[in-house]
Amino acid sequence: LAKTTQPISMDSYEGQEVNITCSHNNIATNDYITWYQQFPSQGPRFIIQGYKTKVTNEVASLFIPADRKSSTLSLPRVSLSDTAVYYCLVGDRYSGAGSYQLTFGKGTKLSVIP
Amino acid sequence: KAGVTQTPRYLIKTRGQQVTLSCSPISGHRSVSWYQQTPGQGLQFLFEYFSETQRNKGNFPGRFSGRQFSNSRSEMNVSTLELGDSALYLCASSWNTGNDTGELFFGEGSRLTVL
Repeated sequence: LAKTTQPISMDSYEGQEVNITCSHNNIATNDYITWYQQFPSQGPRFIIQGYKTKVTNEVASLFIPADRKSSTLSLPRVSLSDTAVYYCLVGDRYSGAGSYQLTFGKGTKLSVIP
Repeated sequence: KAGVTQTPRYLIKTRGQQVTLSCSPISGHRSVSWYQQTPGQGLQFLFEYFSETQRNKGNFPGRFSGRQFSNSRSEMNVSTLELGDSALYLCASSWNTGNDTGELFFGEGSRLTVL
């Protein structure tokens, strides 16, 4: 399983763009990169998933360079409600074993400051 | 569409007791996985069930066990409780058909306190 490394915490002011980078040097060919968000006392919530280049949805963008050894979650114009823990997961989503489910780790705690 | 339901939401046990937690997945989801979350260790994978079969197991002692029923509902059991078992236990379900993102849908968790 590809191991991921994320910053433990980050601070940002409201209205700024926040970029959280995840390193996954031994990512495998079949692995996808998925990000989840978790608020206190709630279960994590799926944000975005990608394989290469750039993926964008209504809440975030995911940038993946050509070598796929890292990825960056970009949150545009954050608000106080974006204060949460963000997890980067890497794994083969098509594996019958659901291997990517195994590696949530400790995530990045984002604190948005007024 | 109903989400993932976990019961009970809160419970208090004493050391040496056992506990059973229940999870009802989103209708149609066949994969159910369990996680333990503590401030020190973060979110750790316990096990995953698919069509009543355990497909994956995390690095937890045998005191932690689970099962899945034919309607995809799942239970996990922790025997001989220890203080360190105090945690938020999260259940997640997914389609996991091989043709989807594999997105996990989490319940709100069962918070276990062991005294």
